[in-house]
Amino acid sequence: EADIYQTPRYLVIGTGKKITLECSQTMGHDKMYWYQQDPGMELHLIHYSYGVNSTEKGDLSSESTVSRIRTEHFPLTLESARPSHTSQYLCASSHRAGANVLTFGAGSRLTVL
Amino acid sequence: GQQVMQIPQYQHVQEGEDFTTYCNSSTTLSNIQWYKQRPGGHPVFLIQLVKSGEVKKQKRLTFQFGEAKKNSSLHITATQTTDVGTYFCAGQAGTALIFGKGTTLSVSS
Repeated sequence: EADIYQTPRYLVIGTGKKITLECSQTMGHDKMYWYQQDPGMELHLIHYSYGVNSTEKGDLSSESTVSRIRTEHFPLTLESARPSHTSQYLCASSHRAGANVLTFGAGSRLTVL
Repeated sequence: GQQVMQIPQYQHVQEGEDFTTYCNSSTTLSNIQWYKQRPGGHPVFLIQLVKSGEVKKQKRLTFQFGEAKKNSSLHITATQTTDVGTYFCAGQAGTALIFGKGTTLSVSS
């Protein structure tokens, strides 16, 4: 079973609220990622990190921000949620060395009203 | 930019029929990975192919990596209802792992 945890699994909030999606992994992986995925659709990379204090934007522009203060923790924050942010957010991690095989968390499904 | 094209987008089969999904990259890949995402679930790693012309099997699933390391396929023999889901390929080019758009497989019994 994957040792990468995301909370909350489901979140329904109103427009304008600040939210933080948590992601933690216990595998000691250096690389961590956030993907955005609408139901039945492709995966869009929005943020990634190759280590502590290292964060980069992905291929899909996102209004969210991330931080990597500890190796095991990679939270994603939306300062002011909008209905267009409604989606599933998937966190993943991989080892720095060798193949870039991803382990995904179960996802956080966000609905903004 | 670098792209990984995956076809078909959707495929419906009768249980017992075979199924194949194809990936094509615009650039040479160092490796290709395949993931499966069940409905309502998250992607789960299936396999990685590294060598030119490599073929790997997992029970009824057969994975191939092209000679030029630009294309790959996943073939399922005699599909079962448990095979339902979306299959993603992901090609490694440099440091970037590029996902295809996925093929969603539905199976009727």
